[in-house]
Amino acid sequence: QLQLQESGPGLVKPSETLSLICTVSGGSISSRNYYWGWIRQPPGKGLECIGSIYYSGSTYYTSSLKSRVTISVDTSKNQFSLKLSSVTAADTAVYYCARHVLPDDHTVPKHFDYWGQGTLVTVSS
Amino acid sequence: QSALTQPRSVSGSPGQSVTISCTGSSSDVGGYNYVSWYQQRPGKAPKLMIYDVTKRPSGVPDRFSGSKSGDTASLTISGLQADDEADYFCCSFAGSYSYVLFGGGTKLTVL
Repeated sequence: QLQLQESGPGLVKPSETLSLICTVSGGSISSRNYYWGWIRQPPGKGLECIGSIYYSGSTYYTSSLKSRVTISVDTSKNQFSLKLSSVTAADTAVYYCARHVLPDDHTVPKHFDYWGQGTLVTVSS
Repeated sequence: QSALTQPRSVSGSPGQSVTISCTGSSSDVGGYNYVSWYQQRPGKAPKLMIYDVTKRPSGVPDRFSGSKSGDTASLTISGLQADDEADYFCCSFAGSYSYVLFGGGTKLTVL
C-alpha cells in the first residue's frame, strides 16, 4: 500500500523559507506513470495546488506561487521536497503531498489518488 | 487564476439524492476531461471519489457519480447516508499556466 508522509518544521518566521519533505513508501517515486505534488489548505479554507514534479525533475507550478516555489526530487531516497520562500502569514496552512496520476498518453497529470496525512505549518514570529 | 465555483453548502435527508455543481471555464473544466472530486472529513486528508469526470476508484460506492456539461461538472450522491456528511471539492487541470484548480468546497449536511 502506497504511503506518503510529510515532514518539516511546524513553525516558520515571516520572510524565511518554508521547507518540507515528502517520503514515499510502498512504491517507487521513479515510476513513469506519476507526478508527485504539493497541495495546501489554509485553516477553514479550500485546497490550492502548489505544483508537481516528475522523477526526471520536470515540474509544473501554479502561476500565483511560481516566483517563490521550488519543488525537487531525490530518487535515491524516494523523497520529494517543497521550498517556499519569503513566507507571510498568508502561507499558514496544512500542506499535503500527493501522488499525481498521468494518463496513458503521459501528457499532463490529472488527479491525485494517494495523499499524505498533511502537516500544519504556521508562519509567525 | 480563480478557483472553480461550488455552492457553499448542500443538504439532504437520508435516502435522497443531492448534486453538487462545479463551474469553471473553457480553459479548465470545459477544456479537459480531467475533472476529479474529493471528499474531506474534518481533520483528514482529501479522498479521491471521482476522476476523469465519471470514473470511480476501487472501493468508492456506485452511489457516487460524476458528469459534465460544458464548463460545469457535477457530483451526484444518491441514497444519502449519514456517513456521506463531509466537504467535497472539485478539481480540474487548467493548462500549463494555472495548472490545477480546485473548487472552493461544498459542505454536505445529511439532515
